[in-house]
Amino acid sequence: DAMVIQNPRYQVTQFGKPVTLSCSQTLNHNVMYWYQQKSSQAPKLLFHYYDKDFNNEADTPDNFQSRRPNTSFCFLDIRSPGLGDAAMYLCATWASGSPYNEQFFGPGTRLTVL
Amino acid sequence: AQSVTQLDSHVSVSEGTPVLLRCNYSSSYSPSLFWYVQHPNKGLQLLLKYTSAATLVKGINGFEAEFKKSETSFHLTKPSAHMSDAAEYFCVVSDRGNQGGKLIFGQGTELSVKP
Repeated sequence: DAMVIQNPRYQVTQFGKPVTLSCSQTLNHNVMYWYQQKSSQAPKLLFHYYDKDFNNEADTPDNFQSRRPNTSFCFLDIRSPGLGDAAMYLCATWASGSPYNEQFFGPGTRLTVL
Repeated sequence: AQSVTQLDSHVSVSEGTPVLLRCNYSSSYSPSLFWYVQHPNKGLQLLLKYTSAATLVKGINGFEAEFKKSETSFHLTKPSAHMSDAAEYFCVVSDRGNQGGKLIFGQGTELSVKP
């Protein structure tokens, strides 16, 4: 009964070759997040959608883009992956009506850049 | 400004002994506090959350945490460690009801459990 689903779980791409990671949710939450997590580090927020409103973190590189065609789906596009972009990418959701900011995380996509 | 500090980057215990993972937070407002666990190559799983209803919060898998406002702490404990508890643990803070629900993560504590 997965609530936040990420595909694929493992993605291998070549240096400079565009790649898209996908996230879907069955929770009908209006807020969706993308995090980048490098080895032995805490997750780092890249951006989030509050409904259809896109909110970019100030230090997120332009190389990272996102699309949210509807409530259930959100995509992370890496236009020209570099070796430093190899990481786990986590998608999360939140219902803004909840007062406690509890986010629900997907299992992540492990990105390898060759 | 909010922040969270996990006082130990690595904790090692023997199976069957108590677990203590320490966390201190800083928040200007009444905070929401969480502990998440992450097993290797897995996503984050919520262990427990502080909702202000009770200062002692019970979570899954026998974990609990106590909110101490005077000490600005939210330490995670478990009476008896199991091998399956070996994982990375993140203490997380958020301003309750803030726009966008942003979370502030601690740097994580890696828990090792020896047989």
